[in-house]
Amino acid sequence: DAKTTQPPSMDCAEGRAANLPCNHSTISGNEYVYWYRQIHSQGPQYIIHGLKNNETNEMASLIITEDRKSSTLILPHATLRDTAVYYCIVRVGSGANNLFFGTGTRLTVIP
Amino acid sequence: DAGVIQSPRHEVTEMGQEVTLRCKPISGHDYLFWYRQTMMRGLELLIYFNNNVPIDDSGMPEDRFSAKMPNASFSTLKIQPSEPRDSAVYFCASSDYTNGENGYTFGSGTRLTVV
Repeated sequence: DAKTTQPPSMDCAEGRAANLPCNHSTISGNEYVYWYRQIHSQGPQYIIHGLKNNETNEMASLIITEDRKSSTLILPHATLRDTAVYYCIVRVGSGANNLFFGTGTRLTVIP
Repeated sequence: DAGVIQSPRHEVTEMGQEVTLRCKPISGHDYLFWYRQTMMRGLELLIYFNNNVPIDDSGMPEDRFSAKMPNASFSTLKIQPSEPRDSAVYFCASSDYTNGENGYTFGSGTRLTVV
């Protein structure tokens, strides 16, 4: 069963910030929010994850609401190479378990 | 590091033939995962290993599918006999939980076509 809801598609102008929303209203206290992306014909790529604090790395920023029921992935300066399907996933942080990918958001960066 | 290496990249085979997909995980990673991706079902976990031991194979669709991990640097996914509905992209991924939570690293996949 899907634990997250994402818009099926979004467009973003090249050079602008891309803000990808995700709803996870049933998230449990020990579940992390993960983001992956899949560029056409490639394997999924890990982007970032967080529990309740906002996170930033060299690829993106993750903003999690205080109630943890939603989050936003921010690509600060989108490029054409960021065109991909972006998956928001919630899962327990410790131990290996299934990454349920869902259908994701297809982001198209427009020149 | 060269990342997760899968071979072959493409495989076309006739129905009924045996197919073997191969994966070399990242050195030092103690978890290995096999996923399958189709347009209809998206990405599905088939099986995963921890320290070369299969932990959960509940996603393996049928007895025609089998997976092995004889050592820490090699795994195979075998389909015997293959059927047209097995056509998909098969991904291998590895992960390291020794130092806490990390993301999975995926290979480039094997595109299997069964005719």
